[in-house]
Amino acid sequence: GENVEQHPSTLSVQEGDSAVIKCTYSDSASNYFPWYKQELGKGPQLIIDIRSNVGEKKDQRIAVTLNKTAKHFSLHITETQPEDSAVYFCAASKSAGANNLFFGTGTRLTVIP
Amino acid sequence: EAGVVQSPRYKIIEKKQPVAFWCNPISGHNTLYWYLQNLGQGPELLIRYENEEAVDDSQLPKDRFSAERLKGVDSTLKIQPAELGDSAVYLCASSLRGGARNTGELFFGEGSRLTVL
Repeated sequence: GENVEQHPSTLSVQEGDSAVIKCTYSDSASNYFPWYKQELGKGPQLIIDIRSNVGEKKDQRIAVTLNKTAKHFSLHITETQPEDSAVYFCAASKSAGANNLFFGTGTRLTVIP
Repeated sequence: EAGVVQSPRYKIIEKKQPVAFWCNPISGHNTLYWYLQNLGQGPELLIRYENEEAVDDSQLPKDRFSAERLKGVDSTLKIQPAELGDSAVYLCASSLRGGARNTGELFFGEGSRLTVL
């Protein structure tokens, strides 16, 4: 099965700085890579996703990059704000919606005001 | 639009007791998932339903766990008997699979936190 590794496990940044979270996956058949944000006491919520036919996707302050050859993808958050503080999970799947999503172990991001 | 609703939010039981969790997915979502989330870990799939049919239950410990989704809407997840290692958050999610509106996004509930003493 798929194995998704995520680093770092914790990340602290000053407000306004950028944050980068990296993930690697093992199954070359995976081609859907979403990122979920989980706030305390809440369920995970999708913030951005990318499919294997695209190398980069951006949505305001959030961007995701994908390197299929190296089997790794990254989340970039620019101009971080205190409300960005949460646990972020990367995930991988063979297709959007049709197969099991394999999640990474999460990154706890703390944005220091 | 109402989100995924789960109950109870918290449950404390002694080992060997039974426990049940309930999930009401987003209206119209045909796919329902139960995930297990251990402390400090990512969610792990227990079972996935397409309408009433369990299409992926390979990770469900069937000796003590059971699930059902009657009429393809609400779902229950049961553990009997519970063990100490079952302490975790049980997340329910739903999605709309198929057609132009299938984005692959999973909508999660807030979870049911189980503590087994």
